Amino acid sequence: QVQLVESGAEVKKPGASVRLSCQASGYTFTSYYIHWMRQAPGVGLEWMGRIDPSNGHTHLPQGFQGRVILTRDTSTSTVYMDLSSLRFEDTAIYYCTRETDGGLFDYWGRGTLVTISS
Amino acid sequence: QTVVTQEPSLTVSPGGTVTLTCASSTGAVTSNHYPNWFQQKPGQAPRTLIYTTSKKHSWTPARFSGSLLGGKAALTLSGVQPEDEAEYHCLLYCNHNWVFGGGTKLTVL
Repeated sequence: QVQLVESGAEVKKPGASVRLSCQASGYTFTSYYIHWMRQAPGVGLEWMGRIDPSNGHTHLPQGFQGRVILTRDTSTSTVYMDLSSLRFEDTAIYYCTRETDGGLFDYWGRGTLVTISS
Repeated sequence: QTVVTQEPSLTVSPGGTVTLTCASSTGAVTSNHYPNWFQQKPGQAPRTLIYTTSKKHSWTPARFSGSLLGGKAALTLSGVQPEDEAEYHCLLYCNHNWVFGGGTKLTVL
């Protein structure tokens, strides 16, 4: 069965960086885009960008360009998200999700909490 | 930057019908925005209900339907059940970016 498993919770200080991982299983890793979304406490969801695991090409919204780097390791079917220059407002639950043909985000990870605290 | 707007909250009686909408600041929502609808319950990840305007996932209950209505994407729940109480998020593809609405808190009362 398809599964996306994110890495564990993180606590970071402002200005630091964090790396989250999303390991996929149960399907051909290179066949579908992986996206990252986040949800700050009491706030709606926010799209952070996507990577094509087949070639590593990424697309990020303007607001995250320069702060987010997406990479993948096809040998372990894992996508990584590096978020730098952390701010208090980056405190959120971060999700990875798979996009299949036709813009269907069918499987989501359970989410990982990142807390920014001084 | 496109802003996507949803009703902040709605209340519906069990067995009733309710329509949630999703509007774009740049104009009418069309099928080219590939509207998605997600249901999210407290402490859980979002779960896809509708994609590409009106397509259902295999786990989407029949009482949920998606459409375009008056220039907006719409999610209609017919015969609402108590377990439908949740937050509902819409997602649109706008100028090569995906943009979420602010979410609608649906109360079944």
